[in-house]
Amino acid sequence: DTEVTQTPKHLVMGMTNKKSLKCEQHMGHRAMYWYKQKAKKPPELMFVYSYEKLSINESVPSRFSPECPNSSLLNLHLHALQPEDSALYLCASSQDPGVSYSPLHFGNGTRLTVT
Amino acid sequence: EDKVVQSPLSLVVHEGDTVTLNCSYEVTNFRSLLWYKQEKKAPTFLFMLTSSGIEKKSGRLSSILDKKELFSILNITATQTGDSAIYLCAASGGGADGLTFGKGTHLIIQP
Repeated sequence: DTEVTQTPKHLVMGMTNKKSLKCEQHMGHRAMYWYKQKAKKPPELMFVYSYEKLSINESVPSRFSPECPNSSLLNLHLHALQPEDSALYLCASSQDPGVSYSPLHFGNGTRLTVT
Repeated sequence: EDKVVQSPLSLVVHEGDTVTLNCSYEVTNFRSLLWYKQEKKAPTFLFMLTSSGIEKKSGRLSSILDKKELFSILNITATQTGDSAIYLCAASGGGADGLTFGKGTHLIIQP
């Protein structure tokens, strides 16, 4: 088990559905991240929130919409996804992104299947 | 563009063998290099290296960074079947920019 909690663990959705992925950490970390990982590939960065502000958006399609309601929570809203968006979506957090780098701590991920 | 290259991409050895995994990087404003182990789900943190030549150890695992030659190695001695996993190397540059990952080394330990 990790200290970064992601829900749901698995999600199957149709291309017209709207769903949300949730991530929570209570380690007092001030940076939170969304990564996408396809089978047999490394994680790819999607979004970075630093002190609850979106600091990086790695050219992710608008059908993915991140939200950081507070320092402990991170959401990823999904709408009109494509089958190729099926992947493991990993949330991560780190202590302080701006001053000295600290390791990312990953959640167990949400396995998303788009039908 | 930042780049992290791992080798080998896959490796099959027998229990008890020692393995060395390699990672080279080209990262603007390099700050640190990290190793993760990924089994079925979350990558779990192994080491973070920021200084050249200082070996970090945790049980049978050890790692070292060479900032002049821009590479790192991860050693695992007396391997066990539980060491079977994908080992990811990642490098960070300046700022709140996450990590650039290599493709990973898929390590299989046979009994």
